Amino acid sequence: EVQLVESGGGLVQPGGSLRLSCAASGFRFNDYWMHWVRQAPGKGLVWVSQIKSDGSTTSSADFVKGRFTISRDNAKNTLYLQMNSLTVEDTGVYYCARALMARPLAPFDPWGQGTLVIVS
Amino acid sequence: DIVMTQSPDSLAVSLGERATINCKSSQSVFYSSTNKNYLAWYQQKPGQAPKLLIYSASTRQFGVPDRFSGSGSGTEFTLSISSLQAEDVAVYYCQQYSTAPFTFGPGTKVDIK
Repeated sequence: EVQLVESGGGLVQPGGSLRLSCAASGFRFNDYWMHWVRQAPGKGLVWVSQIKSDGSTTSSADFVKGRFTISRDNAKNTLYLQMNSLTVEDTGVYYCARALMARPLAPFDPWGQGTLVIVS
Repeated sequence: DIVMTQSPDSLAVSLGERATINCKSSQSVFYSSTNKNYLAWYQQKPGQAPKLLIYSASTRQFGVPDRFSGSGSGTEFTLSISSLQAEDVAVYYCQQYSTAPFTFGPGTKVDIK
C-alpha cells in the first residue's frame, strides 16, 4: 500500500523553527517528485514547495522563500520541510503529497494525513 | 502566477440531483506538446486529506465513481457530479499543475439540500 506519514508538527513561538518529516512507503520513493501543501484553519489549499526525485531541483512559493527548505533522503524514503522564522500566518496543517506519475508536472496523489503546525 | 477561481462558493443539491462546479484559470493550462490540460480536481471531506478525483481535466483517478466527471479545456473547466450521494458532501478544489507555483482554486462547498 502506498502511504505517506507526516510528523514533526507542534506548537512553536513566532520566530522559531520546526522540521517536518514525511515517511514514504509502498512505492519507489526515488522515482517521484514530492510536494508540501499547507492549509490554514478553515481555509483553502496552498502549495508550498516541490523537490525533484533525485533532490537536485527544488522550487517554492514566494511566501516561504528564504525561510523554508525542502529536502529528501532517498536512502531513508523520507521528505523534509525545514521551517525557519515562523510567523503566525504559517499556522495550519501541512500535507506531503507525491506526484501521481514519475514526472515533474503531475497532479498530487497520494497525500499524507497532515501534521498541524501552530505558531503562537 | 496562474490564478484559479471557482464558482459558486457553495451549493446545496438534493440527493440524486446534479451538482456542477466551475473553475477558471487566468492563463491556459493546455500543453500542445502533450495535448493535455494540466488541471486536477480534488475532494476534501472534513478532517481528511484531499483526495484526487480527476486529472488532465477529464481523466478519473482509479476508484473514483463514474458519477464524477470533468470537462473543459484551456482556461475553463467543470466538475460534475451526476447524481449526488450523501458521501459526496465535501469541499472541491481545482488545481493547475502546468506551472509552479501549482495554484489551487478557493474551493466549492457542496451540501445536501
